[in-house]
Amino acid sequence: GEQVEQLPSILRVQERSSASINCTYENSASNYFPWYKQEPGENPKLIIDIRSNMERKQIQGLIVLLDKKAKRFSLHITDTQPADSAMYFCAASLNTDKVVFGTGTRLQVSP
Amino acid sequence: GPKVLQIPSHQIIDMGQMVTLNCDPVSNHLYFYWYKQILGQQMEFLVNFYNGKVMEKSKLFKDQFSVERPDGSYFTLKIQPTALEDSAVYFCASRETGDTEVFFGKGTRLTVV
Repeated sequence: GEQVEQLPSILRVQERSSASINCTYENSASNYFPWYKQEPGENPKLIIDIRSNMERKQIQGLIVLLDKKAKRFSLHITDTQPADSAMYFCAASLNTDKVVFGTGTRLQVSP
Repeated sequence: GPKVLQIPSHQIIDMGQMVTLNCDPVSNHLYFYWYKQILGQQMEFLVNFYNGKVMEKSKLFKDQFSVERPDGSYFTLKIQPTALEDSAVYFCASRETGDTEVFFGKGTRLTVV
């Protein structure tokens, strides 16, 4: 089945710097790649997603890149704020299949 | 935005007893999922469900687990009998079609004692 690797597991950055999280997937047919933010005690919430017909997508300070050849995708948070501190999960999915999550990155943004 | 509701939010149960976790998916959604998350760890897929049938289940979906959605009511996860290692937060999720956003409920924290 699909496996999604995610690194790093912990990421500490200073406020206003950028943060990058990288994921790789196995199934070259996967076509949907969402990113979720999960705060303690809360459900995961979608923050940005990208489909396989795109290489780059940006929503405000969030940028996702997709390299289908390398089966790699990444999230870049520009101008981080303490409120960005949370767990972030990448995920990969193929159509109606399950969404497979990465192992998560705990982002800590210090003032 | 659309909400997936999960009832109850917390459940404490004696080992060996049966538990049913209830999920009220978004009303027009067709695909339903259960995930298991142990504190601070990744969301692990258990099962997905469409058109009244299990489409796929992971090895975490033990024989003691079952899912159903009778007549469009709650989408339920039943564990019978429960074991200590079943303690976790169980998230229900739903999506409208195969490539749309997946919405997650707030989870049910299950503690088996």
